[in-house]
Amino acid sequence: DTEVTQTPKHLVMGMTNKKSLKCEQHMGHRAMYWYKQKAKKPPELMFVYSYEKLSINESVPSRFSPECPNSSLLNLHLHALQPEDSALYLCASSQDGQGRQPQHFGDGTRLSIL
Amino acid sequence: KQEVTQIPAALSVPEGENLVLNCSFTDSAIYNLQWFRQDPGKGLTSLLLIQSSQREQTSGRLNASLDKSSGRSTLYIAASQPGDSATYLCAVNSGTSGSRLTFGEGTQLTVNP
Repeated sequence: DTEVTQTPKHLVMGMTNKKSLKCEQHMGHRAMYWYKQKAKKPPELMFVYSYEKLSINESVPSRFSPECPNSSLLNLHLHALQPEDSALYLCASSQDGQGRQPQHFGDGTRLSIL
Repeated sequence: KQEVTQIPAALSVPEGENLVLNCSFTDSAIYNLQWFRQDPGKGLTSLLLIQSSQREQTSGRLNASLDKSSGRSTLYIAASQPGDSATYLCAVNSGTSGSRLTFGEGTQLTVNP
């Protein structure tokens, strides 16, 4: 069982909907990440939070809005998504944001945009 | 820009064989390299992490090596089992901001009983 929990596991939404993806870890990690993974492709980094502050935004469109309310929680707010945004969204955490420690991944949310 | 390549893209072996998966990267200025496995429809499971100052790491039947100067890493799996069937991803951690993983395209491994 993964120590990084993502909800929901599956999400289907229309292009005009607003929804949120949630990620939670209780390992005391201070860095959290969002990745996007298309079918048969490797994950691509979207955002990095280090000590609850956004440290990396990989030029992600503004229809994706991350939020880190506290050190255990990471949200990804979705609005006006496009069909090409359909993918597996993975959350990860690591002990800190300096890159020396391994990243631990959740099982992801499979998102489908109608 | 860091680029990571994995060879082969797919591999099918009979149970019990020893096998090697290869990973190469273009920029040797890395913090570390991490090997993951991914089962269909699932997230990533971390297998081994090698720091840039290390040459190899071992966990059970898995052994990962790192040659930073030549930009290469290998994952050796001993006595393969059907349960090892999965996609194996290599990821390098580099960049000025620390935790930025760049993944290879993966090797899809099938171990036949």
